[in-house]
Amino acid sequence: LAKTTQPISMDSYEGQEVNITCSHNNIATNDYITWYQQFPSQGPRFIIQGYKTKVTNEVASLFIPADRKSSTLSLPRVSLSDTAVYYCLVGTYGGSQGNLIFGKGTKLSVKP
Amino acid sequence: ETGVTQTPRHLVMGMTNKKSLKCEQHLGHNAMYWYKQSAKKPLELMFVYSLEERVENNSVPSRFSPECPNSSHLFLHLHTLQPEDSALYLCASSQEGRDRGRPQYFGPGTRLTVT
Repeated sequence: LAKTTQPISMDSYEGQEVNITCSHNNIATNDYITWYQQFPSQGPRFIIQGYKTKVTNEVASLFIPADRKSSTLSLPRVSLSDTAVYYCLVGTYGGSQGNLIFGKGTKLSVKP
Repeated sequence: ETGVTQTPRHLVMGMTNKKSLKCEQHLGHNAMYWYKQSAKKPLELMFVYSLEERVENNSVPSRFSPECPNSSHLFLHLHTLQPEDSALYLCASSQEGRDRGRPQYFGPGTRLTVT
């Protein structure tokens, strides 16, 4: 199972760039890396997905080194509304165990 | 609005009741999921219906029973639940192909309280 490790929490200020790194040492060859954002009492919201190198969309960038054993979510110029829990997800369901595992996530607190 | 709806949004039930949670996706996806999120715990995948197969987490008790009549609708039937089953139950959908692990789109969840 491709377990993930993220910092439990991070603090930032409005307007700063925030980088959240996720470690996934035993990622499998066909595993995608996906990041989600979750606000309290809501379902997670898809942010970005990648397989290797760099992916950018209107919300964030995702950096993946060549060995794919880690990934970094980059949020440019955060605002107060970016305060949420961010999850790194690696892999997919499969087999009899349903090995799609969300970790504990990183709680990002953005301050004015 | 993600295109995934869940009803009811809140449910209080006794341990002897039988109830069902409903999920509907309007995205044309071919996979649907049930997750459980307890307070201060990670999301736990319960069941997956994808490409006409069903995958389940073996740790999920039999008092939870999923049903997927078609690719747009998913139910979670509940019976004789325990207080520790109180949680936020989330439904999600994705468009799966040969490469699995595509982005999932989540509904707003059903907040379940078992008394």
